Amino acid sequence: ETGVTQTPRHLVMGMTNKKSLKCEQHLGHNAMYWYKQSAKKPLELMFVYSLEERVENNSVPSRFSPECPNSSHLFLHLHTLQPEDSALYLCASSQDVPRDLGYGYTFGSGTRLTVV
Amino acid sequence: GQQLNQSPQSMFIQEGEDVSMNCTSSSIFNTWLWYKQDPGEGPVLLIALYKAGELTSNGRLTAQFGITRKDSFLNISASIPSDVGIYFCAGQGQGGSEKLVFGKGTKLTVNP
Repeated sequence: ETGVTQTPRHLVMGMTNKKSLKCEQHLGHNAMYWYKQSAKKPLELMFVYSLEERVENNSVPSRFSPECPNSSHLFLHLHTLQPEDSALYLCASSQDVPRDLGYGYTFGSGTRLTVV
Repeated sequence: GQQLNQSPQSMFIQEGEDVSMNCTSSSIFNTWLWYKQDPGEGPVLLIALYKAGELTSNGRLTAQFGITRKDSFLNISASIPSDVGIYFCAGQGQGGSEKLVFGKGTKLTVNP
């Protein structure tokens, strides 16, 4: 496998459920990111990890809980979500943070989340 | 915080036509990036710009970093059906520690 892989591709969950999104990168990058993409809004940065340490948390509600066990894997744990949390959740990686924009970010295909 | 104004929001064109879209900012950026997102996929980097005035091409795509460092445009020549998708601009401010800021995207539809 190459690039950034996200699973599952689609997820429907109830407001009382607990689920997790998974991201794996095979690029040898040191930084990983979670973004939220909602219709007609810019990509919203949620979390940034550099060398497995969280370096940024953009005032994201505590019902979203990230985990980065190593530089290749990133998880987003979800619990008691609201319908307005329905969106495309994108994972990305880059060689390093914050200065590496030489190659931009490599994005995964995303997880389409629907909260019912 | 920094914001990017991307326009137009959507475009409907005929195959073979040229396309132009742009992004503007109220603050200076050091780097401009252009991404394309196909339906059901994540954004893919098309072109990266690092210097004011820089003009860079990638096949039928051409992008320029504005002289004022507050704007960038992307041109697509002789559009084809597979150009369909959402195009995003993104920029990073000064200092190297600034976050990457994204525009809202331009949705392109190409009619065969």
